[in-house]
Amino acid sequence: DQQVKQNSPSLSVQEGRISILNCDYTNSMFDYFLWYKKYPAEGPTFLISISSIKDKNEDGRFTVFLNKSAKHLSLHIVPSQPGDSAVYFCAASDKAAGNKLTFGGGTRVLVKP
Amino acid sequence: SQTIHQWPATLVQPVGSPLSLECTVEGTSNPNLYWYRQAAGRGLQLLFYSVGIGQISSEVPQNLSASRPQDRQFILSSKKLLLSDSGFYLCAWSGLAGLTDTQYFGPGTRLTVL
Repeated sequence: DQQVKQNSPSLSVQEGRISILNCDYTNSMFDYFLWYKKYPAEGPTFLISISSIKDKNEDGRFTVFLNKSAKHLSLHIVPSQPGDSAVYFCAASDKAAGNKLTFGGGTRVLVKP
Repeated sequence: SQTIHQWPATLVQPVGSPLSLECTVEGTSNPNLYWYRQAAGRGLQLLFYSVGIGQISSEVPQNLSASRPQDRQFILSSKKLLLSDSGFYLCAWSGLAGLTDTQYFGPGTRLTVL
């Protein structure tokens, strides 16, 4: 039972354009959501997070949107840069269940120069 | 600032051999610690987490075990490796529950079981 799903395994975008990554979840108890970026053979690095009390959080080129009624979140990267090429994971946690993250399967982003 | 170390970076082991992967965290006290595995082309699966010395919770039944002998040390072990244990193993830490849910990952260990 996948509680967090990233239905697009890959995404290709032109440099300078917007990258939109999507993530869906099924557990309505999730109250904190995160995005991580991962290069091959390295550990994931934290990008941005959002609490369930908000619907948007912005940090530089990265913006995360949360739609609780649809149980959907998205990550927007604008403008996309070649260095953004990596695998992106969304993750969710339920504070009441302990500080454990449930990860999606990842989306591989390729930014073409 | 906090840093997290894992070693070794890569490891090739024969089936049936033992395993010990080590993770240490610097710059913080009483962290929550986690072991994840990423199988080829898959997402991250939580294997174990620990909220304190000697306190280990297992998330999935498997051939592996974890121990936390010191506050900032987390060890992943196996007595006899299986082919299915191959993967990329990641250690992570987070602050006290309730303060932050953000987890920070180490560089990972690539384990190949032959």
